[in-house]
Amino acid sequence: DSGVTQTPKHLITATGQRVTLRCSPRSGDLSVYWYQQSLDQGLQFLIQYYNGEERAKGNILERFSAQQFPDLHSELNLSSLELGDSALYFCASSAEGQRNSPLHFGNGTRLTVT
Amino acid sequence: AQKVTQAQTEISVVEKEDVTLDCVYETRDTTYYLFWYKQPPSGELVFLIRRNSFDEQNEISGRYSWNFQKSTSSFNFTITASQVVDSAVYFCALSAPLGLSSNTGKLIFGQGTTLQVKP
Repeated sequence: DSGVTQTPKHLITATGQRVTLRCSPRSGDLSVYWYQQSLDQGLQFLIQYYNGEERAKGNILERFSAQQFPDLHSELNLSSLELGDSALYFCASSAEGQRNSPLHFGNGTRLTVT
Repeated sequence: AQKVTQAQTEISVVEKEDVTLDCVYETRDTTYYLFWYKQPPSGELVFLIRRNSFDEQNEISGRYSWNFQKSTSSFNFTITASQVVDSAVYFCALSAPLGLSSNTGKLIFGQGTTLQVKP
């Protein structure tokens, strides 16, 4: 068990809808990352927060947004969903949020858009 | 540009065989970090190892060993006496470059190698 908790495990929704994925990092970790895993794109970095502030941004669509709250949990909001957004979304956390910090991943949220 | 290449898409071995998963990376950084992760059929990503670019010593952990060669930009992973429980997708990853933005722990992943160990 990595100590990173993601909810829900599975989500099925329709095109055009909006969903929120939730992540609780490991105890003591200040940094949270979001990754998208799809068959064609592999593991793609979306965004990183460190202690409530955005630290790095990847290929995150404008329809997607994230935030990290004072208690350090994070939410990833996906709106105007399209079929192509179907993927496994991972949250990861690390202590310092820097290059030498291993990321510890949650079990992922599998999103299916129909 | 930062890039990680895992040329082997799928490997199939019989239990007790040794198997090596290849990883080749590209970076302009002089200091960087390399990682291996395992994704079993259940889907979670499990951290296996981290190496920094200044430490080229090979590492062994039980049946797992890693060979880091800076001269060939490779960080290969060997499983000795493979077992069915080793069946998974294995990812090699590289730390993002230092740049104008803050030091970040974001990782660049290879496409993964699916290892199937048959009994």
